[in-house]
Amino acid sequence: AQSVSQHNHHVILSEAASLELGCNYSYGGTVNLFWYVQYPGQHLQLLLKYFSGDPLVKGIKGFEAEFIKSKFSFNLRKPSVQWSDTAEYFCAVILGSARQLTFGSGTQLTVLP
Amino acid sequence: DVKVTQSSRYLVKRTGEKVFLECVQDMDHENMFWYRQDPGLGLRLIYFSYDVKMKEKGDIPEGYSVSREKKERFSLILESASTNQTSMYLCASSLDGNQETQYFGPGTRLLVL
Repeated sequence: AQSVSQHNHHVILSEAASLELGCNYSYGGTVNLFWYVQYPGQHLQLLLKYFSGDPLVKGIKGFEAEFIKSKFSFNLRKPSVQWSDTAEYFCAVILGSARQLTFGSGTQLTVLP
Repeated sequence: DVKVTQSSRYLVKRTGEKVFLECVQDMDHENMFWYRQDPGLGLRLIYFSYDVKMKEKGDIPEGYSVSREKKERFSLILESASTNQTSMYLCASSLDGNQETQYFGPGTRLLVL
């Protein structure tokens, strides 16, 4: 069963538009949450992560994500996207005491100049 | 900076061949992982290792095996390559613990003819 869902497969925005990418997980226990990004031709890299504390976490390049426990969600946001944000974005979770990540299917973001 | 290197960026093999994919990390990480990345499916875990000579099956281990003889090196083996193993293979490493960032290599794009 899919533990992590990213409902938007491809999002196209114009520069300066606001971005929100959805991520939901299906697990009732403790989770550690991550967003990774893969820019064209580059390695997958960490954007931000959440373990505990303030549910609003800030990452690199102006991205932030909010953990809403009651909705099992960890949506990624950016108030104003740039052309350089064109990339594939992956939500991932570590369930409970596991060591391994479970990834969502990814969202391809295309930002038009 | 953490560096994860993979032995090949591109590989073309024939059906039935034995294929070795090598991954090396230089940060003394305990955990190492092999994923395959396919469009629309995100990253799926094949195998991981949390110590030398230790291995755990991931979500899709069939048709694959792994070897970890040294801490810094984690090899993925396709015993008899098949066309459905054509994919992008990503290696990652992390410190032990379930809150640690995974660092990814550049990937090996494997084509099985």
